[in-house]
This record gives sequence, C-alpha cells and structure tokens, in this order.
Amino acid sequence: DIVMTQSPDSLAVSLGERATINCKSSQSVLYSSNNKNYLAWYQHKPGQPPKLLIYWASTRGSGVPDRFSGSGSGTDFTLTISSLQAEDVAVYYCQQYYSVQMYTFGQGTKLEIK
Amino acid sequence: QVQLVQSGAEVKKPGASVRVSCKASGYTFSTYGIIWVRQAPGQGFEWMGWISAYNGNTNYAQKFQGRLTLTTETSTSTAYLDLRSLRPDDTALYYCARVKKDGARWVWFDPWGQGTLVTVSS
Repeated sequence: DIVMTQSPDSLAVSLGERATINCKSSQSVLYSSNNKNYLAWYQHKPGQPPKLLIYWASTRGSGVPDRFSGSGSGTDFTLTISSLQAEDVAVYYCQQYYSVQMYTFGQGTKLEIK
Repeated sequence: QVQLVQSGAEVKKPGASVRVSCKASGYTFSTYGIIWVRQAPGQGFEWMGWISAYNGNTNYAQKFQGRLTLTTETSTSTAYLDLRSLRPDDTALYYCARVKKDGARWVWFDPWGQGTLVTVSS
C-alpha cells in the first residue's frame, strides 16, 4: 500500500497569515504516461462531510477559493492557504488515487487559529 | 446541484449485518462510480471499495473481502453498502462519495454524502 504521511499533525496560524501543510507518499504518485500526480486534498469540518479542495495535486475544485493552492510532484506535496480565514479551521487530508487497488489518505492535519 | 443523501444511523449487535444506502441526485448516475470510505472515532479515513454505476464492476479493499458487498440500483440512482459479521471495531461513520473515471482509473471523490453512523455494540 502507498503510505501517506502528513506534517505537521496540527498547526496554529494567525488570521491573515499563511498556512502550509505537507504530504509525503511512500512511493511516487506521478503517472509517467500523462505526467499527472494522482493526489487530492480534502477539507473536513466537524459535522460536515469532507470537501474536495485540490485534485491532480494543483487543480482547485469547483468553487474553491483561490487562497487555497496545491503544489509538488512525485512523492512530496504541499497545500498552502495564502491568507487564513476563520472558516478555514478544519482537518485537512491528502489522498492518493494512483493505486487503484487501495486508495489511501494521510492521517490528517488539524488547522486552528492562533 | 449534485448531492448524495445517505440513510440514517444504525445500531447493530456483533455478528449482525448492516445496509447503508446512498441516493444520488443532480447528475447522470450511471456515468460515475461510487466509493465508500469509513472513519472510526478519532481515526482517519479508510477506503472500503468502489462500484461502477455503469456496469456494476466492484473493487474491495482486501481487509473487507468476503464481508462487504456494494451494489447499485440505477432506476433509483441509489448505491448500497452491505457489511456482514459486524464487530465492535466496525463502529464508524460511513461515507459514500461520487467518483469519476479518468481513462482506466477512478480518481478523486466529489461530493461526499453526509455520512451514516453505524454503532456495533452488544
């Protein structure tokens, strides 16, 4: 199985400041035939279902504010929130969809306001 | 808008079975797949399996082989999860999500259902 490891486990950032969450996969999720990274990011708020933020490692989902951005390739990825808003408090998960036999998620990063 | 609405919470005894439904609306059901993911209390997400709403093809995580059956009913745009021989550690919030196909692969999950809490306790 591809193991996804996020860092940090929790993060406290001041309103308006930048938040950065990292995700590392145990093997590359870059598919060489199309040069796409099979990685997504989700936002999960208490009492709500997870929401897709980013797919193909860097493409924002429908309606996702442009303060959210994804970057990285191969095994190392980053989710960045450029200017933290109060409504961004949530747990964030990365997920690989490279392995069709076993989709796996990172353990989650809890983002709070400092 | 695209929406997945799941059935209500269930309480089951060990050894019993549970069925969770996931009714889709706002899109052509048969052109996507449905995946199922669960989250035990205080834990992360665990992918359970997917089903093609087009042809009924399925793929189950090895951990659930023999205990899990995923089905769809295209006439009502509804997907079902059946989990048998329940154990206390099956207690979790069960989510369905729509999944699209890119080439031969199912890709990201969007949107997700609201979740169904299944509690297994004697």
